[in-house]
Amino acid sequence: EVQLLESGGGLVQPGGSLRLSCAASGFTFSNYAMSWVRQAPGKGLEWVSAISDGAGSTYYADSVKGRFTVSRDNSKNTLYLQMNSLRAEDTAVYYCAKAEWFSSGWPYFDYWGQGTLVTVSS
Amino acid sequence: EIVLTQSPGTLSLSPGERATVSCRASQSVSSSNLAWYQQKPGQAPRLLIYGASSRATGIPDRFSGSGSGADFTLIISRLEPEDFAVYYCQQYDNSRRTFGQGTKVEIK
Repeated sequence: EVQLLESGGGLVQPGGSLRLSCAASGFTFSNYAMSWVRQAPGKGLEWVSAISDGAGSTYYADSVKGRFTVSRDNSKNTLYLQMNSLRAEDTAVYYCAKAEWFSSGWPYFDYWGQGTLVTVSS
Repeated sequence: EIVLTQSPGTLSLSPGERATVSCRASQSVSSSNLAWYQQKPGQAPRLLIYGASSRATGIPDRFSGSGSGADFTLIISRLEPEDFAVYYCQQYDNSRRTFGQGTKVEIK
């Protein structure tokens, strides 16, 4: 059974940093691209970042580029999101999601974690 | 960045009725790269449809997807009580993704 378990969320002051983790199990983690998706309270889904299966390529939404860094440790089956220079508008539930290969890319997410809440406030 | 616009924002229907949700892209999207998700309050999203029209594992056949180019549609043929939720479309382009703003299907 595929499981994705996020951790590391919490309350942080504006300008602060936080590192999220996502522990994966039930599949060969190193064979799949992964992403982070967030959802502000009462709002819709926003894709944040993606990383290729071998960690050679990373991608970011414009809203977080230069502040967030995605990484993975395939030996530990774990995905990370380092978040720096946090702003109030980064307040959201952060989900990790497993991408699935289809056609010629990784277009959709077939499994999601339950999310971890990040609150940026003074 | 490809922008996805869903309509309507809210759909008020009764169990047994048909729900139609539209997703329009700001430019053409490959059908392979269009997916639909369902999200219930307090839960993570769940994949319903991928490749514009293929149902994900375990998804009932009352859910169907169609479309091409810039216009895509999710249809729920007969609403069951558990189908009242928020639905999102999502596209993939050049390793980047965007979601529509969501359509809430509520009980009338």
